[in-house]
Amino acid sequence: KQEVTQIPAALSVPEGENLVLNCSFTDSAIYNLQWFRQDPGKGLTSLLLIQSSQREQTSGRLNASLDKSSGRSTLYIAASQPGDSATYLCAVRGNTGKLIFGQGTTLQVKP
Amino acid sequence: DTGVSQNPRHKITKRGQNVTFRCDPISEHNRLYWYRQTLGQGPEFLTYFQNEAQLEKSRLLSDRFSAERPKGSFSTLEIQRTEQGDSAMYLCASTLSGGGEYTEAFFGQGTRLTVV
Repeated sequence: KQEVTQIPAALSVPEGENLVLNCSFTDSAIYNLQWFRQDPGKGLTSLLLIQSSQREQTSGRLNASLDKSSGRSTLYIAASQPGDSATYLCAVRGNTGKLIFGQGTTLQVKP
Repeated sequence: DTGVSQNPRHKITKRGQNVTFRCDPISEHNRLYWYRQTLGQGPEFLTYFQNEAQLEKSRLLSDRFSAERPKGSFSTLEIQRTEQGDSAMYLCASTLSGGGEYTEAFFGQGTRLTVV
């Protein structure tokens, strides 16, 4: 059974700092991995999708990496801003096609 | 296309009543998923459809829950005889799959259910 773990559960940083969010999964047989952002009381916004054959994806200040063999992904946020404050969720897609989510990392960026 | 749309956004109901939620996916997406999320937790899988066929239903889902996707377009999720433990955010997502490949999944804004 696939299990996804995100560490840390919460993170508070000053504005401008670079930071890394971690995601680990137990079954390396995945199709892809997707990072999402969720603001309080809202739905999920897709940030980055990494296919199983890829090692990383970049979008603006965000960079996500994938090491399938070790069951790990990281989301790197450069030059953090208060508007980045949200919960970040990673999800892996296995052979049934459904997304399995971690518990999320709640990020607070202080001005 | 305006993305995945869910209605209503909020629903307050009395315990024991039935409720129905609707999800309109991105038009060309053949897969549609329903998830449930409680405070402080990640989304939990409920069920999914490939076109109009319901291919998997979580074992955590009681018989009070039913979902349909007639004609492979919009989907409805019905909860019968609601209980306070059903209070949660219900999320819908869609994606395109084919040939063993899956595109990016997009989520709607969710329906917040409160059972009083």
